[in-house]
Amino acid sequence: AQTVTQSQPEMSVQEAETVTLSCTYDTSENNYYLFWYKQPPSRQMILVIRQEAYKQQNATENRFSVNFQKAAKSFSLKISDSQLGDTAMYFCAFMIYNAGNMLTFGGGTRLMVKP
Amino acid sequence: SAVISQKPSRDICQRGTSLTIQCQVDSQVTMMFWYRQQPGQSLTLIATANQGSEATYESGFVIDKFPISRPNLTFSTLTVSNMSPEDSSIYLCSSSIGTGNTEAFFGQGTRLTVV
Repeated sequence: AQTVTQSQPEMSVQEAETVTLSCTYDTSENNYYLFWYKQPPSRQMILVIRQEAYKQQNATENRFSVNFQKAAKSFSLKISDSQLGDTAMYFCAFMIYNAGNMLTFGGGTRLMVKP
Repeated sequence: SAVISQKPSRDICQRGTSLTIQCQVDSQVTMMFWYRQQPGQSLTLIATANQGSEATYESGFVIDKFPISRPNLTFSTLTVSNMSPEDSSIYLCSSSIGTGNTEAFFGQGTRLTVV
């Protein structure tokens, strides 16, 4: 079974600053995907960024980037130039390759961006 | 991308009653997933629903409590039966489009309160 751990229940950052959210996971699989999802108060789950485990290059999406350390089973999310709209719950998630697209989620980190 | 319409968005129910949650996808999808998000917690997979076969339930969830229907490739329902206050949660449906497409799309969630 896979487990995903987010060790920071809550974090805050000043607007325009940079913040890093931590995620570690445990699996015996070699082929998998990792994700960060954002859940604002509207409850809608929004995909922020995705990383394929076979890719060494870290994924980036505009202000969002990851630091993927496969050997350490670590997958942190960096948010640059934080904006008030980034305030949300952030979930790290794991998916086994070619095994039905079901996700295993971490416990979540509540991020507050302060003006 | 896909749009999943989920309803109701919220409901307050009496204990002992049942509530059926519906999800409609604007594309044909093979698998649909139902998650539970207890207050302040992460998402936990309840079951995977394939069209034309029985749903597959995760440990701790049973069909008698959470019956699922999947009558076609665009629609699924989850029923929360014989509700108790412990069933108060957000319930979300999810799916992906096509084999190998790893992006999961989510419904807007149903906030259930059992009194």
